Amino acid sequence: DADVTQTPRNRITKTGKRIMLECSQTKGHDRMYWYRQDPGLGLQLIYYSFDVKDINKGEISDGYSVSRQAQAKFSLSLESAIPNQTALYFCATSDLDIDSNQPQHFGDGTRLSIL
Amino acid sequence: AQKVTQAQTEISVVEKEDVTLDCVYETRDTTYYLFWYKQPPSGELVFLIRRNSFDEQNEISGRYSWNFQKSTSSFNFTITASQVVDSAVYFCALSVSTGTASKLTFGTGTRLQVTL
Repeated sequence: DADVTQTPRNRITKTGKRIMLECSQTKGHDRMYWYRQDPGLGLQLIYYSFDVKDINKGEISDGYSVSRQAQAKFSLSLESAIPNQTALYFCATSDLDIDSNQPQHFGDGTRLSIL
Repeated sequence: AQKVTQAQTEISVVEKEDVTLDCVYETRDTTYYLFWYKQPPSGELVFLIRRNSFDEQNEISGRYSWNFQKSTSSFNFTITASQVVDSAVYFCALSVSTGTASKLTFGTGTRLQVTL
């Protein structure tokens, strides 16, 4: 089983709909992240969380919200989806290490299309 | 602010050729970490290497090698004797520590196409 699981893997929806992308992990990591990837661009950070009581905005948080339901679960919501939110979305986790920045481990991605 | 530049958008090579992917970074922090990730056609992101700013030793792992030069703010990635399975998009990324933060700043990626 994958260490970082994203559901759904693919989703097509209409403008104005609310949609939730879910991420769960079995790595026991404290830190979790949501990114989006657009064609020809790198990954851009949407939100990140260092534990269940901590939520932080990333570079492009407008139009998104998140919920850290448990250490292992971090969901991303689009309250009213718009076409320019069509992208590949990644969830990632990393371990807490105050002496070094541990690598982030990514899920397989959710391909979201908004018509 | 941090920035990562991968000037090569796409590279095509014939199998068994050596290829170098360039990565140039910008940061004012003295402590930082550099990463390379691979994204094969299937879409997932695979971690390849992490290097901290205090360790300028080059690293070799099989056909992969990395050249870190602080003087030129570069962290280049070389694949020796490339294979078709190396075809992927490769991302360079930078992370600095801000309190307990460790956010990644990604470059725009280099698409490597290896043909027979």
